[in-house]
Amino acid sequence: GAVVSQHPSWVICKSGTSVKIECRSLDFQATTMFWYRQFPKQSLMLMATSNEGSKATYEQGVEKDKFLINHASLTLSTLTVTSAHPEDSSFYICSARAGTGSGTQYFGPGTRLLVL
Amino acid sequence: GDSVTQMEGPVTLSEEAFLTINCTYTATGYPSLFWYVQYPGEGLQLLLKATKADDKGSNKGFEATYRKETTSFHLEKGSVQVSDSAVYFCALYKAGTALIFGKGTTLSVSS
Repeated sequence: GAVVSQHPSWVICKSGTSVKIECRSLDFQATTMFWYRQFPKQSLMLMATSNEGSKATYEQGVEKDKFLINHASLTLSTLTVTSAHPEDSSFYICSARAGTGSGTQYFGPGTRLLVL
Repeated sequence: GDSVTQMEGPVTLSEEAFLTINCTYTATGYPSLFWYVQYPGEGLQLLLKATKADDKGSNKGFEATYRKETTSFHLEKGSVQVSDSAVYFCALYKAGTALIFGKGTTLSVSS
């Protein structure tokens, strides 16, 4: 089946530093990738949608200058949390979709970010 | 706007009990419907899906039928196992958009 990987799975950083999270589709080409944020015991909150080679579309309330998304190829998207603060601590999950057919999205295992 | 409503959890069952997790949706047009499962500390895994009315999705003993007349996609399993303990998300998709998720329902199965 379709596999999406994320790296790193865990990251701890100091306040004010930047953190990059990679999302890769391993066995299919992802025309669209999505980034979600999940708080404990809550549903997923869509942060942004990115299409390969295009600028990401951010959801209302998500700071595009703080959460930089790059979708440089059909198999790789990155999320960079710039100048991270403790309130950015969360579980970040990426998702990839091959086309617009049935809409199936395949999810990565998530990255847990802790900002001290 | 489009939305998904799931039953509030947690749902607590004994092993081999029958499971139903209710899901209803509000959407214009003809969405596709999904159930995803999330095990502790992991991302979401696709459990099953249905793309049109009256379709039944099934996987690993779980089933759900797309009912347009009741705008529902309830998840069922005849005999749950401890390993089924997880959070279950119902979601809908319309062309050109991201999945819209329900809030999730936590299932806890004890032996």
